[in-house]
Amino acid sequence: DTEVTQTPKHLVMGMTNKKSLKCEQHMGHRAMYWYKQKAKKPPELMFVYSYEKLSINESVPSRFSPECPNSSLLNLHLHALQPEDSALYLCASSKTSGFQETQYFGPGTRLLVL
Amino acid sequence: DQQVKQNSPSLSVQEGRISILNCDYTNSMFDYFLWYKKYPAEGPTFLISISSIKDKNEDGRFTVFLNKSAKHLSLHIVPSQPGDSAVYFCAASDTGNQFYFGTGTSLTVIP
Repeated sequence: DTEVTQTPKHLVMGMTNKKSLKCEQHMGHRAMYWYKQKAKKPPELMFVYSYEKLSINESVPSRFSPECPNSSLLNLHLHALQPEDSALYLCASSKTSGFQETQYFGPGTRLLVL
Repeated sequence: DQQVKQNSPSLSVQEGRISILNCDYTNSMFDYFLWYKKYPAEGPTFLISISSIKDKNEDGRFTVFLNKSAKHLSLHIVPSQPGDSAVYFCAASDTGNQFYFGTGTSLTVIP
């Protein structure tokens, strides 16, 4: 089983709203990732969690706040977003964040900020 | 600075023929390479990978070739099928396992 699930599939929010994206995997993977993807562009790494600790933050604005409550769950809390934040948000996981580990992606949450 | 490049944004191939997707990279520290397939509004699906100690890896209809001296890899799909129509991303990582993605090639397989 190489499934990473993400909820919700679609989200529309206003610039003053607070919402959260959720990602879950039950493969025993200890590294989890958030990516942002705009149309016709490659995924851009936002955050990496390794053993439930934030290990990489790619200079993401503070209106995006990640959280890793346990080894199977990864959340992305959203607050005061801008219309340019509209994108597909992808979660991925891998066994570890180390050498030559394949990342498995979830289906993504399509976010529209109005 | 784009460290992984896919210079062909699109490719059309007749069903049954070979599809060849190309990828170039600039960072000689990359040692692990992957190809992902992506349908619209879905997450990338892992297809095949290759370590820098190999120059070829095959899985069914998919073969990845790596030419380290040229910093070039390619994905061969044979025979191509209409269901292969999607955007294909190559990705590369160094020892830190941070992935760098190419800009993607949109493959259309014509029945």
